[in-house]
Amino acid sequence: GAVVSQHPSRVICKSGTSVKIECRSLDFQATTMFWYRQFPKQSLMLMATSNEGSKATYEQGVEKDKFLINHASLTLSTLTVTSAHPEDSSFYICSADSRASGARGTDTQYFGPGTRLTVL
Amino acid sequence: GESVGLHLPTLSVQEGDNSIINCAYSNSASDYFIWYKQESGKGPQFIIDIRSNMDKRQGQRVTVLLNKTVKHLSLQIAATQPGDSAVYFCAETFAGGYNKLIFGAGTRLAVHP
Repeated sequence: GAVVSQHPSRVICKSGTSVKIECRSLDFQATTMFWYRQFPKQSLMLMATSNEGSKATYEQGVEKDKFLINHASLTLSTLTVTSAHPEDSSFYICSADSRASGARGTDTQYFGPGTRLTVL
Repeated sequence: GESVGLHLPTLSVQEGDNSIINCAYSNSASDYFIWYKQESGKGPQFIIDIRSNMDKRQGQRVTVLLNKTVKHLSLQIAATQPGDSAVYFCAETFAGGYNKLIFGAGTRLAVHP
């Protein structure tokens, strides 16, 4: 089956620093990757849609200058949390979709294992 | 165990019983629905999906029911096992939605021996 990895799995940083999270599709090419944020005991909230070779599309209320997304290849997308603050502490999850944007199919997205970010 | 209402946050069942997890979706244009299972500290895991042209779909020990009239989705797990303990999310998407998934609030399933 399709595998998506995230690195690191857990990161603790000081307030004001930047943190980069990588999302990789290991055995397929992902035309689209999605980034989600999940606070404790809450659902997944879509932050942005990342398409290879183009700018990410951010959901309403998500600051694009704070959450920098780069989808440099068909197997890698990165999320950089810039000038992180304690309120950015959360579980960040990526997913990868092998289909062309808008194409329908089953088993839509493959999710990574998540990255736990703690900002002190 | 019993389901109570459409927004049950926690469901406790005895091992071997059947579980029913409910979800109310928001967008009447949604035409594809997926159930995910999320264990603590992990990413969501695909369970089963259903398209809007169907009202029932069965998998191994799981069944998804879709009622478009009231925008309601349910997941039935037969002979619930301790390994089924997790949080379950429904997700919806629609044609023209660029494959974006909108997740429901989630229900925690606790299976007791």
